[in-house]
Amino acid sequence: SQQGEEDPQALSIQEGENATMNCSYKTSINNLQWYRQNSGRGLVHLILIRSNEREKHSGRLRVTLDTSKKSSSLLITASRAADTASYFCATDARDTGNQFYFGTGTSLTVIP
Amino acid sequence: DAMVIQNPRYQVTQFGKPVTLSCSQTLNHNVMYWYQQKSSQAPKLLFHYYDKDFNNEADTPDNFQSRRPNTSFCFLDIRSPGLGDAAMYLCATSSDGRVQTQYFGPGTRLLVL
Repeated sequence: SQQGEEDPQALSIQEGENATMNCSYKTSINNLQWYRQNSGRGLVHLILIRSNEREKHSGRLRVTLDTSKKSSSLLITASRAADTASYFCATDARDTGNQFYFGTGTSLTVIP
Repeated sequence: DAMVIQNPRYQVTQFGKPVTLSCSQTLNHNVMYWYQQKSSQAPKLLFHYYDKDFNNEADTPDNFQSRRPNTSFCFLDIRSPGLGDAAMYLCATSSDGRVQTQYFGPGTRLLVL
């Protein structure tokens, strides 16, 4: 079964605003990653955060991880229309043989 | 450029007619994964190969099989496709099975008539 659930399921914002997506998972993890998927395409890796890290930045992306709450958030600052996509978190958990399991995803629409 | 290639991008098959989807990679990665993704859902891991070692997910139907004849190629065989198997099938690779980014192909969208 899948590890993660994300909320909101869908998010619509104006260009220039910040977008925040949340991911919750069920069991202890080694790492959590965020991926992006444009409509009808494959997934693209955005950022990885290890279980002993609390925050990580990459360009306009900021990821936080709270292992006590089993949750992570992805913040996209100063959003652009090109950020419109679905965003998935993926975890590799200690008790699942290090395979990746994806969350349910957040569909982000950035309105120009 | 090193990449993950999936062919074809769109595949139409008939109910019950075997179909094979292909994936190749130029990354020389040890691990290859197959995912099934239905509309507006998360990718669901079907199985993966760590080198030649095949690992099946417990809830992957027997109808789905896979072959990896060499490092570069991996195939997904659907022996008797049903209407419920219509989905996007994604192939991914990682350099090994631990803490590594996965690199995805563009996917093959399967339509079952």
